[in-house]
Amino acid sequence: KNQVEQSPQSLIILEGKNCTLQCNYTVSPFSNLRWYKQDTGRGPVSLTIMTFSENTKSNGRYTATLDADTKQSSLHITASQLSDSASYICVVSANSGAGSYQLTFGKGTKLSVIP
Amino acid sequence: EADIYQTPRYLVIGTGKKITLECSQTMGHDKMYWYQQDPGMELHLIHYSYGVNSTEKGDLSSESTVSRIRTEHFPLTLESARPSHTSQYLCASRDQNTGELFFGEGSRLTVL
Repeated sequence: KNQVEQSPQSLIILEGKNCTLQCNYTVSPFSNLRWYKQDTGRGPVSLTIMTFSENTKSNGRYTATLDADTKQSSLHITASQLSDSASYICVVSANSGAGSYQLTFGKGTKLSVIP
Repeated sequence: EADIYQTPRYLVIGTGKKITLECSQTMGHDKMYWYQQDPGMELHLIHYSYGVNSTEKGDLSSESTVSRIRTEHFPLTLESARPSHTSQYLCASRDQNTGELFFGEGSRLTVL
């Protein structure tokens, strides 16, 4: 069964500090992995996409890594800001053939950045 | 910025009422989805569509129904709302080239 596990479940950090969120998956056959940011009461918004051949990708202060061998991904946030407070969701896509893909969602990590 | 819209954003209704949550996208995406999300919990797929006149039930059983008469429109209907239907409902469409999901802002439903 395809599964995506995220840790920690929640995290509180001081403004300006860095943090790293983890995503472990058992999805096969792997197609890609996305990190989404979901502000409270809003829809998720894509931050990065990682394909099998990519190890690291940055989007501003967000840097995602992927280790396809160990099936792990991380999202590193540098110099956190109050606006980074949100839930961060890891979504892994499996290629189910004939141009069809199955998405498996993690439960998310709730990040709170405090002044 | 995603061109996918949901209405209403917030709805409070009484038990037994019929409601329709609207979802429209102007990106020409064939694939559309409805997710249900309780506060602080993960998203659960309740319905999806791969194109006009195509609708399927998702992983989470739901008493709601959907229709897809036009590519851009994917409404969700509850014939008789109950307090257990209280939740946030998120609509999404998928770019067939990149695979990226674009989400609407959500419809938060409260059934009294």
